[in-house]
Amino acid sequence: GAGVSQSPSNKVTEKGKDVELRCDPISGHTALYWYRQRLGQGLEFLIYFQGNSAPDKSGLPSDRFSAERTGESVSTLTIQRTQQEDSAVYLCASSFRPRDPEAKNIQYFGAGTRLSVL
Amino acid sequence: AQKVTQAQTEISVVEKEDVTLDCVYETRDTTYYLFWYKQPPSGELVFLIRRNSFDEQNEISGRYSWNFQKSTSSFNFTITASQVVDSAVYFCALGPGDDKIIFGKGTRLHILP
Repeated sequence: GAGVSQSPSNKVTEKGKDVELRCDPISGHTALYWYRQRLGQGLEFLIYFQGNSAPDKSGLPSDRFSAERTGESVSTLTIQRTQQEDSAVYLCASSFRPRDPEAKNIQYFGAGTRLSVL
Repeated sequence: AQKVTQAQTEISVVEKEDVTLDCVYETRDTTYYLFWYKQPPSGELVFLIRRNSFDEQNEISGRYSWNFQKSTSSFNFTITASQVVDSAVYFCALGPGDDKIIFGKGTRLHILP
């Protein structure tokens, strides 16, 4: 697609329920990133995919959070047993990694999913 | 530790004024990248610029300019002749050796008509 697409745009759930957030990266982008943005805050890194493997999961805040990616396309971020503190905007970004590992890519962001846990 | 500090949480200026957004970073990496992103009310982050740590040349793009000073670990962003459409939250970010980006907390810029 033309840009990074995230769905749903808004999600309201009850505490204790599981939620799945979806990200469709820009076509051809091999790398995919998930970030969390709490109200009035900067972005917190959650996890990064290169292809369908996740070299860096260091930002996942607890074992209730998991993510997977199918090939070099869609990724889903799953939050189990949601808590009120999980309320935030979840942002996805994608980038194209050149062969040179020292070259830094530009990350292009989706509009995010606003998650509200009641 | 890697860190990005945007000391200005909120700035208001009158349209057509110039405004500078400050960014100070910390890293022990010798190779790194610095970014600025704009987040308008719609919420989607818009990439503005990326600088390599080896390139300290200042850059100008239309009304936007960036001043990278390694000696003070700063990467400041200036908007000349500001416009109402410039109202947004602006994030400075640091890309260390791996691929994640570390963001500052952002500066909310209000351009008043």
